[in-house]
Amino acid sequence: QQQVKQSPQSLIVQKGGISIINCAYENTAFDYFPWYQQFPGKGPALLIAIRPDVSEKKEGRFTISFNKSAKQFSLHIMDSQPGDSATYFCAASMRNSGYALNFGKGTSLLVTP
Amino acid sequence: GAVVSQHPSRVICKSGTSVKIECRSLDFQATTMFWYRQFPKQSLMLMATSNEGSKATYEQGVEKDKFLINHASLTLSTLTVTSAHPEDSSFYICSASGTGSFTLHFGNGTRLTVT
Repeated sequence: QQQVKQSPQSLIVQKGGISIINCAYENTAFDYFPWYQQFPGKGPALLIAIRPDVSEKKEGRFTISFNKSAKQFSLHIMDSQPGDSATYFCAASMRNSGYALNFGKGTSLLVTP
Repeated sequence: GAVVSQHPSRVICKSGTSVKIECRSLDFQATTMFWYRQFPKQSLMLMATSNEGSKATYEQGVEKDKFLINHASLTLSTLTVTSAHPEDSSFYICSASGTGSFTLHFGNGTRLTVT
């Protein structure tokens, strides 16, 4: 049972454009929502994360928007670059499970020159 | 900071043999480590949660006798795939969080191929 639903499965964006990836969850006990970036053959690397007490968090070109009432959150990558081409995973975790991450299915992002 | 080292990065073994994968937190103490499995072009699936000094907690459907986890110290957890079969071929990734932290840091994974 996928506890975090992620879309789209794949995304192609032109260089300089905005990449947007969406996630939704059901379990209201989740209280930590990170995004990870993964390159082929590598482990995931933490990009940015948010707690449910804020609606937006920005770090450089990456922004998380969080809608607690809708149980949705999204990642925006501004001024997308070819080096951003990777697979992005949203995730959710909660204190009760020791913050074990439940991952979305991933989005394969391709930024074209 | 917060570096997790995983070894080996790649291993090929024959069917029926056992393989041990090490996961180390290099610059922090990890009271909890998690082991994930990832098939090609798929998401990461949690296999087990490893707590230092106690038995690991396995997710439903994961055979604890096949995937032996040992978390003997605050910086080292090991996953042993026993009597490996070709269907165990996968990308195994460990992650760790520091004491009181909810941020997980991942190793670079181990590509296991069972022939």
